[in-house]
Amino acid sequence: GQQLNQSPQSMFIQEGEDVSMNCTSSSIFNTWLWYKQDPGEGPVLLIALYKAGELTSNGRLTAQFGITRKDSFLNISASIPSDVGIYFCAGQFNNNNDMRFGAGTRLTVKP
Amino acid sequence: SQTIHQWPATLVQPVGSPLSLECTVEGTSNPNLYWYRQAAGRGLQLLFYSVGIGQISSEVPQNLSASRPQDRQFILSSKKLLLSDSGFYLCAWSVGQTRETQYFGPGTRLLVL
Repeated sequence: GQQLNQSPQSMFIQEGEDVSMNCTSSSIFNTWLWYKQDPGEGPVLLIALYKAGELTSNGRLTAQFGITRKDSFLNISASIPSDVGIYFCAGQFNNNNDMRFGAGTRLTVKP
Repeated sequence: SQTIHQWPATLVQPVGSPLSLECTVEGTSNPNLYWYRQAAGRGLQLLFYSVGIGQISSEVPQNLSASRPQDRQFILSSKKLLLSDSGFYLCAWSVGQTRETQYFGPGTRLLVL
């Protein structure tokens, strides 16, 4: 079952606004991943984080691996309509069969 | 480049009928393969994973089974579907098993009536 708490569950924002979402866990992870899922499609990897404290950017997206290794956040700057979708965090212990997903953050961007 | 395919894209099946979902990967050899289920509005639950032909590990007890008859083919099956089997089924692959990111297929939406 899920061991990650992802928040918020949903967000309704205006185009151009910045977005922030996060995941916390009671367990320590060695890798944090952020995925985006468009309706009816599989998740697509956005950012992968491998070291505590690591801050990584991918275009308008920035994600950080928390120092405690129990949390991670994802920021989206200057949101655009195509940012709409569900964003999932995932924590991985050592093996891919130990990966756990958050419940997702559903993002809606109003033009 | 690597690609992953799933079919069918959508399936409507009556309760008690059998199921077979297929996943294939192109452009890589000996991938690790995974089956996930995503219930509506929820995250992903790992069902099965495979590190090689004929090697299947199950994460949760359930009405489903998996098989890997070929290196890049992963099949999800059931002999008798239950209503609770409805959901979005995702196949994924990774290069290695340790700290390797997973790449997902387009998914199969299954509705059991």
